[in-house]
Amino acid sequence: DAGVTQSPTHLIKTRGQQVTLRCSPKSGHDTVSWYQQALGQGPQFIFQYYEEEERQRGNFPDRFSGHQFPNYSSELNVNALLLGDSALYLCASSLTDSLNTEAFFGQGTRLTVV
Amino acid sequence: GQNIDQPTEMTATEGAIVQINCTYQTSGFNGLFWYQQHAGEAPTFLSYNVLDGLEEKGRFSSFLSRSKGYSYLLLKELQMKDSASYLCAVLDSNYQLIWGAGTKLIIKP
Repeated sequence: DAGVTQSPTHLIKTRGQQVTLRCSPKSGHDTVSWYQQALGQGPQFIFQYYEEEERQRGNFPDRFSGHQFPNYSSELNVNALLLGDSALYLCASSLTDSLNTEAFFGQGTRLTVV
Repeated sequence: GQNIDQPTEMTATEGAIVQINCTYQTSGFNGLFWYQQHAGEAPTFLSYNVLDGLEEKGRFSSFLSRSKGYSYLLLKELQMKDSASYLCAVLDSNYQLIWGAGTKLIIKP
């Protein structure tokens, strides 16, 4: 089992550009959550996808959007990048309707906006 | 609003014991998680508490008091590799994980 995999691992973009980050969940997991983690801070919840739909959303602008595919993999898209979007983006997968909703994290994508 | 509080940083000595506290105020409660995160890496699961009391797992133990909105993570026989950030997260009534900012633990020889 490869666990949760994210790509790319590192990315440098220019202000105003658009970026797409990808996540493959742990085998058997059907729910994907995306987090933004700034340096020295805890993860901030962006949104969660289940059954190809956005189920919950945190306090992030519409520039942040996502998608979940039938194989449960997911993408995070950020438009009109700002310098403040520089962060580690973490993807976590879990199994909905499980009593123990432990989330497994990928290694993250380090996004730098210049 | 929802809030998770943890100390920003703690220092302890190799071989000693350290207790990292977490207090929370959330809309609903469906369990509390502790995660360990080494610098530049993803968080890894340490423990999950949903009932009051102490859960022991090797050198690590986690305690929960739901009435006080309080948890702690106890690390015994500290090793240098335990130097990391420790994140407390609460699963709220919408089954959304609310995260604290993390406690950076520094282990000294």
